[in-house]
Amino acid sequence: NAGVMQNPRHLVRRRGQEARLRCSPMKGHSHVYWYRQLPEEGLKFMVYLQKENIIDESGMPKERFSAEFPKEGPSILRIQQVVRGDSAAYFCASSPQTVGYEQYFGPGTRLTVT
Amino acid sequence: GESVGLHLPTLSVQEGDNSIINCAYSNSASDYFIWYKQESGKGPQFIIDIRSNMDKRQGQRVTVLLNKTVKHLSLQIAATQPGDSAVYFCAENPPNTGNQFYFGTGTSLTVIP
Repeated sequence: NAGVMQNPRHLVRRRGQEARLRCSPMKGHSHVYWYRQLPEEGLKFMVYLQKENIIDESGMPKERFSAEFPKEGPSILRIQQVVRGDSAAYFCASSPQTVGYEQYFGPGTRLTVT
Repeated sequence: GESVGLHLPTLSVQEGDNSIINCAYSNSASDYFIWYKQESGKGPQFIIDIRSNMDKRQGQRVTVLLNKTVKHLSLQIAATQPGDSAVYFCAENPPNTGNQFYFGTGTSLTVIP
């Protein structure tokens, strides 16, 4: 049973370019969460999605950031017109449908904006 | 938003000693808590969880204690090993948030051989 998969593991973008981060949840999981982590800091919640629905995006910047979790395929976190401050590790987690279960994390995507 | 804080940002212990990592959570109605371990360059890994109807839960070499009166969690690691060196996060699941968790800033544990 494969765990949560994220790709790419490392992504380098120049300022102004777009970054697309992908997350495939564990088999059977319909809840996906995206977090951002700066060096030496904790995980900051960004967005919570279920299939085809955004449940909570209160942690996501209003501009340049968007997320989706289509009926088929991985969840995508998209950052448009990246700036140096977007450099961070972005983690995806998934959980089963039922509330009150742990979140399983992927290995993360490390985004560097040059 | 919610905040979860840790009392000690760094902790160094001798190999073989016991480690205790503390965490204060913010929402007295939170009913599910998890401890995660994050090694350098990797994603967080589940260690142990506890629900609010329990005060203590034991795993393999780890014990989590929950004190709801003072909104405090602790993680105890017995006979700490070099492989335990990592950052440890506690996370709380407040009510009415679905399966959303709020994470603390983490404690960095270093095991001295």
